[in-house]
Amino acid sequence: NAGVTQTPKFQVLKTGQSMTLQCAQDMNHEYMSWYRQDPGMGLRLIHYSVGAGITDQGEVPNGYNVSRSTTEDFPLRLLSAAPSQTSVYFCASSYRDRGQYEQYFGPGTRLTVT
Amino acid sequence: GDSVTQMEGPVTLSEEAFLTINCTYTATGYPSLFWYVQYPGEGLQLLLKATKADDKGSNKGFEATYRKETTSFHLEKGSVQVSDSAVYFCARGGGGATNKLIFGTGTLLAVQP
Repeated sequence: NAGVTQTPKFQVLKTGQSMTLQCAQDMNHEYMSWYRQDPGMGLRLIHYSVGAGITDQGEVPNGYNVSRSTTEDFPLRLLSAAPSQTSVYFCASSYRDRGQYEQYFGPGTRLTVT
Repeated sequence: GDSVTQMEGPVTLSEEAFLTINCTYTATGYPSLFWYVQYPGEGLQLLLKATKADDKGSNKGFEATYRKETTSFHLEKGSVQVSDSAVYFCARGGGGATNKLIFGTGTLLAVQP
């Protein structure tokens, strides 16, 4: 299994540009999430999905869109990039084991918006 | 709201020293508790977890005990190695039937030979 994969690893955007961060998992996990990591703030949840066709907002959803057309893929779209979106983005997938969830993280995408 | 508080770093230790990284959480319900580790340039990996009060999670010489009375989940290791240098994140489950995680801000550990 490849686990959770993310592309690209690095990206530089200009303010106002749009792009999609890709995330895929091959573990047949129902649940997928996007987090952003900023210095001194830990990881914050952007959006999450509990299954194909179902998404919901996390703690910091503004400026981001998601969709979940398949179990495997959960792309994150930046509609109009802003410098405040400079961050490291992590995708995670998880399964439910006896009522608890264990999350598996991808390697991250480092995004810089100038 | 729900939150996790962990000690600020960086924590700098010599090899074979004893490690403690403090973590406390807000006590809404009975969440699962986790420690994740992030090595330089990599994503987060689950280090250990505990799902109910008095559970002890352990892995790779690290331990943490779920203390409901003090709402704490401190990470300990008896003898650290240079290879343990990383950022450590404490996290709690979001509560209920949810896969959400609430993270602390992370603690950088630097182990010197």
